[in-house]
Amino acid sequence: KAGVTQTPRYLIKTRGQQVTLSCSPISGHRSVSWYQQTPGQGLQFLFEYFSETQRNKGNFPGRFSGRQFSNSRSEMNVSTLELGDSALYLCASSRRDRGKSPLHFGNGTRLTVT
Amino acid sequence: DQQVKQNSPSLSVQEGRISILNCDYTNSMFDYFLWYKKYPAEGPTFLISISSIKDKNEDGRFTVFLNKSAKHLSLHIVPSQPGDSAVYFCAARTSGSRLTFGEGTQLTVNP
Repeated sequence: KAGVTQTPRYLIKTRGQQVTLSCSPISGHRSVSWYQQTPGQGLQFLFEYFSETQRNKGNFPGRFSGRQFSNSRSEMNVSTLELGDSALYLCASSRRDRGKSPLHFGNGTRLTVT
Repeated sequence: DQQVKQNSPSLSVQEGRISILNCDYTNSMFDYFLWYKKYPAEGPTFLISISSIKDKNEDGRFTVFLNKSAKHLSLHIVPSQPGDSAVYFCAARTSGSRLTFGEGTQLTVNP
């Protein structure tokens, strides 16, 4: 079974631009969640989507948004990029409908904002 | 407010010995705990999990212990192998797929 796939692996953007990251979950997984990893803040939850609906949201500004499609694939968008948005963005999928099931992560998208 | 804490940033053990990684939490609403291993430039890899209704779960060389009264969990790796060298994160869940992660512990297993 293929794992969680994130594209692109690396991105360099300029302050003020916007960016869209993509995630394809493991086949059969309907929950997709996004996390941000930075050296200072560690791994922090951004949001979760299940059945095309946002189910949970972390403490991030409205510049961070996402969506999920009917095939469970998800995208996240960051608008008006700031230097502090430089981070590793990780997508994870799970069988949320199976009770306690672990999240499986992709290898992330490394975003650098200059 | 750091609800999940891994107080040891690093741990070094000899190959073949036991590695014990510790994690403390403050939120009594956490109902599911997980351990992940992470190599540089890769995403976290799921290792083992435990429900709050249990106190122990084993999977091969990995055992997780949960002490609810102390709000403490630990991961035991026996025997440790050089390939186990990585950053280990503990994580806890209250609902859905929202995990709260600890800061991570760098494990180094020396040959």
